[in-house]
Amino acid sequence: AQSVSQHNHHVILSEAASLELGCNYSYGGTVNLFWYVQYPGQHLQLLLKYFSGDPLVKGIKGFEAEFIKSKFSFNLRKPSVQWSDTAEYFCAVNANSNYQLIWGAGTKLIIKP
Amino acid sequence: DTGVSQNPRHKITKRGQNVTFRCDPISEHNRLYWYRQTLGQGPEFLTYFQNEAQLEKSRLLSDRFSAERPKGSFSTLEIQRTEQGDSAMYLCASSSTGGSYNEQFFGPGTRLTVL
Repeated sequence: AQSVSQHNHHVILSEAASLELGCNYSYGGTVNLFWYVQYPGQHLQLLLKYFSGDPLVKGIKGFEAEFIKSKFSFNLRKPSVQWSDTAEYFCAVNANSNYQLIWGAGTKLIIKP
Repeated sequence: DTGVSQNPRHKITKRGQNVTFRCDPISEHNRLYWYRQTLGQGPEFLTYFQNEAQLEKSRLLSDRFSAERPKGSFSTLEIQRTEQGDSAMYLCASSSTGGSYNEQFFGPGTRLTVL
């Protein structure tokens, strides 16, 4: 069965620190990959997505993610975080023949001002 | 606001009661999804509609759960004979068939508490 692992459940960083959140999935075929963000009190919003092409994708608010097929990974990065990045981040995977999104458990990110 | 809306936002009920939630998708979206999210977990897929047709149901969706989308617009999710284990956030999302593949837009969710 498909699964998504996010290894860090809680991350605490200071402002201006660099961020990398890990995401690994288990599925051998073609996948679409997503990062969603949920700010406190708000609904899930799409941060960025990968369907095909350049494995380095850029999203909103300075976030980017790199798809490494050989490692089944889609890690999220930001070179310098801000206090406003405090949120919960979810990685999700979808296989081409299936409309379901399979989700990781999420990573709660707290940025100290 | 033309996003996905869900009502009610919160529901507290006693075990054994029936509850119904409503989701209004983005108006031009013909795909609608229901997910359930419990504390500390990511969303889990429950079911999916394309227009009025329910095309997929998760094994998580027991016989006590039923979802409808009668006219291909809004959808309802009913839980009969609620149990404490049904306490969760119920999320609705919608997407279009064109444009970015399967980019799902989420509503704010309905938080269900079963006492």
